[in-house]
Amino acid sequence: DTAVSQTPKYLVTQMGNDKSIKCEQNLGHDTMYWYKQDSKKFLKIMFSYNNKELIINETVPNRFSPKSPDKAHLNLHINSLELGDSAVYFCASSQVSSPNSPLHFGNGTRLTVT
Amino acid sequence: GQQLNQSPQSMFIQEGEDVSMNCTSSSIFNTWLWYKQDPGEGPVLLIALYKAGELTSNGRLTAQFGITRKDSFLNISASIPSDVGIYFCAARYSGAGSYQLTFGKGTKLSVIP
Repeated sequence: DTAVSQTPKYLVTQMGNDKSIKCEQNLGHDTMYWYKQDSKKFLKIMFSYNNKELIINETVPNRFSPKSPDKAHLNLHINSLELGDSAVYFCASSQVSSPNSPLHFGNGTRLTVT
Repeated sequence: GQQLNQSPQSMFIQEGEDVSMNCTSSSIFNTWLWYKQDPGEGPVLLIALYKAGELTSNGRLTAQFGITRKDSFLNISASIPSDVGIYFCAARYSGAGSYQLTFGKGTKLSVIP
């Protein structure tokens, strides 16, 4: 009964490929997020999304795009992968309509671009 | 943008010792959160603080929301080997249209048995 689940856990691919990471939350939350954790373990927000708006961190390349088929899913698509995209990507969710709602994270997807 | 200065970056302690880490900022927040990340896992919420001056405990963990709303600390008492991991502070100012968390850079804790 994992709250936030993402797949795959590991993804190894070559430069130039296009890949997707899937995320699902069963908490009934209204907002989902993608974070990138670099080799220094710094967590950096990439996107936040609910039914009303998508907020994009301006530093995120447009090769990255979130796709949300419904409230419980926010998938991350990455085009033309580059070496620097190697990192751990975390999906998260929260209930923004409840001001005290904390973030709940998935277990991460380790992306390695060769 | 808003930044959180988390210290120390890393700690090596003996089992049984107490641990203290903190986060400071030049910005005001109305929510402070502390997360722990185990290797290969996502961050897990330890303690949430919602009022300035609030002191909250969760077992051996105690955290406080600074009275100025610009800082928070986390204490761990009588550390054990399973306390090993990376601890992150996070803060949020939930004004209109603003609900994103800002994270500190983490404190890596190592416990020597």
